[in-house]
Amino acid sequence: GAGVSQSPRYKVTKRGQDVALRCDPISGHVSLYWYRQALGQGPEFLTYFNYEAQQDKSGLPNDRFSAERPEGSISTLTIQRTEQRDSAMYRCAVQWGNTEAFFGQGTRLTVV
Amino acid sequence: EDKVVQSPLSLVVHEGDTVTLNCSYEVTNFRSLLWYKQEKKAPTFLFMLTSSGIEKKSGRLSSILDKKELFSILNITATQTGDSAIYLCAGYNDKIIFGKGTRLHILP
Repeated sequence: GAGVSQSPRYKVTKRGQDVALRCDPISGHVSLYWYRQALGQGPEFLTYFNYEAQQDKSGLPNDRFSAERPEGSISTLTIQRTEQRDSAMYRCAVQWGNTEAFFGQGTRLTVV
Repeated sequence: EDKVVQSPLSLVVHEGDTVTLNCSYEVTNFRSLLWYKQEKKAPTFLFMLTSSGIEKKSGRLSSILDKKELFSILNITATQTGDSAIYLCAGYNDKIIFGKGTRLHILP
């Protein structure tokens, strides 16, 4: 997607391990979103930031999930003690105010 | 709780047909409605609608918003196999909330 880089593109981890997914907006977008997307479904909202401030984390499934954006640019979504049900595509999107959001290519997480 | 509901969830038509995809929303402090197309990769932006009754058009695709009845439609005329995708609708207030999408399949 225009202006958003996510890494890694694919991550396979063993159950119980922690993972960190990275989102790097190439230019300084104000708003940054994290979504989880199951195959064939719409993106499920997890959390979003305006600059470095986390505005809403109501979509995080449980306290194993956390996100940060300490300098208002790069964001990290961390999943602790991963479980198989955490396997999904995790997508980051960025937005300038009331405009369209641009999506990154996502990180495909597989927990085995 | 804010929500966006799309219908139908899936649709199969023949090439050349016209399709209408529906999106209803309940979004507090609504600012705009967004449509995206998703094939195998990331969703790609189609339209953003903020005002009622003003049609947005791009080639064979068009969309309109009704803020009184809280819905939007996406029309695709003269469909082609390349239109096969998941079409996503989203409501925006201070965050973007997506519906579950409509999976459209165009038969040759």
